[in-house]
Amino acid sequence: KAGVTQTPRYLIKTRGQQVTLSCSPISGHRSVSWYQQTPGQGLQFLFEYFSETQRNKGNFPGRFSGRQFSNSRSEMNVSTLELGDSALYLCASSSDRITYEQYFGPGTRLTVT
Amino acid sequence: QQQVKQSPQSLIVQKGGISIINCAYENTAFDYFPWYQQFPGKGPALLIAIRPDVSEKKEGRFTISFNKSAKQFSLHIMDSQPGDSATYFCAARVLMDSNYQLIWGAGTKLIIKP
Repeated sequence: KAGVTQTPRYLIKTRGQQVTLSCSPISGHRSVSWYQQTPGQGLQFLFEYFSETQRNKGNFPGRFSGRQFSNSRSEMNVSTLELGDSALYLCASSSDRITYEQYFGPGTRLTVT
Repeated sequence: QQQVKQSPQSLIVQKGGISIINCAYENTAFDYFPWYQQFPGKGPALLIAIRPDVSEKKEGRFTISFNKSAKQFSLHIMDSQPGDSATYFCAARVLMDSNYQLIWGAGTKLIIKP
């Protein structure tokens, strides 16, 4: 089985711009979660999508949004980028049955200048 | 109450020694406690998980010890090797609004010195 893939792997954007990140889950997984990881802040949960519906949401401002398509692929969008948005953005997918086992992608490293 | 407190933040252990990472929680509704391992440049990967009705689970050199009354659980890495150097996250699963969610610890950066 192919793992979780994320594109792009690296991205440099300017403050004020917007960005879209993409995630393709493991085949058959309908749940996709997004996390922000910064040094010293651990894994901060952004949101989870299941069958094209947002099922859970973390404590992030409305500039962070996402969506999921019918093939379970997901995108995350950040508008009006701020310097503090520089981070590693991780996507994880899981099966319906074993929800504590999340399969993570390699992440997208976003740098905002 | 939805927090999982992980300690220490960083840990240096000699090769062959025992690495111990601790996590504590308050919410008795947590029903699964997984540990994840993350190497630099990679996403975290599930290492081992335990249910609260089990006091210990062992997989190779990795053991989870669970103390339900103290609301604590810990990861022990026996005979630690340089290849174990990574960041470790504990987590806890909880049912919220009919959906399961993972609550994550802050992570522990483990360095095994050769």
